Amino acid sequence: QVQLVESGGGVVQPGGSLRLSCAASEFTFSSFGMHWVRQAPGKGLEWVAFINLDGNNKYYADSVKGRFTISRDSFKNVLYLQMNSLRAEDTAVYYCANYYYDSTHRYFDYWGQGTLVTVSS
Amino acid sequence: DIQMTQSPSSLSASVGDRVTITCRASQSINSYLNWYHQKPGKAPKVLIYTASSLQSGVPSRFSGSGSGTDFTLTISSLQPEDFATYYCQQTYSVPWTFGQGTKVEIK
Repeated sequence: QVQLVESGGGVVQPGGSLRLSCAASEFTFSSFGMHWVRQAPGKGLEWVAFINLDGNNKYYADSVKGRFTISRDSFKNVLYLQMNSLRAEDTAVYYCANYYYDSTHRYFDYWGQGTLVTVSS
Repeated sequence: DIQMTQSPSSLSASVGDRVTITCRASQSINSYLNWYHQKPGKAPKVLIYTASSLQSGVPSRFSGSGSGTDFTLTISSLQPEDFATYYCQQTYSVPWTFGQGTKVEIK
């Protein structure tokens, strides 16, 4: 049973930092690119960041570019999201998801349960 | 960025109803269109990928169609466990974008 388990969420003041983790198990972590997706309270899904399977390619949503950094440790099977200069609008549940990608198909396959980040003074 | 527009934003339906949700992309995305559903407090789950491929374990009452810019998700006979929010998503180009969601409620 594939498991992705996020952690590291919490309450942080505007301008603060937080690091999220996503631990993968029963899953060939090093074979997949990984995404972070967030969902503000009562809102829809917003893609945040992507890292490819070897960590050499990264993409970010414009809303987080320059403030968030995605990384991975394929020895520990953990995905990270370092979030700096946090703003109230970053308040959301953050999900990690793996990217199924082949010559025909591209979709977000397994998702974690999410971790809540609240940016408030 | 490719904008994804779903309609309707919400709908009320009864168990056994046939339900159709549409998704339009602001430019052609070939068939790189996926459908997810999400229940309150839970993570999204993929139902349909690449416009019409049914994810393993997903009931056959779900189907998808379309290509280019216009896509459809159909639930042939709505079941109680299908009341949820449905999202389309394009994976044709970065940034990956989602539709705003369609909430399916009980009539």
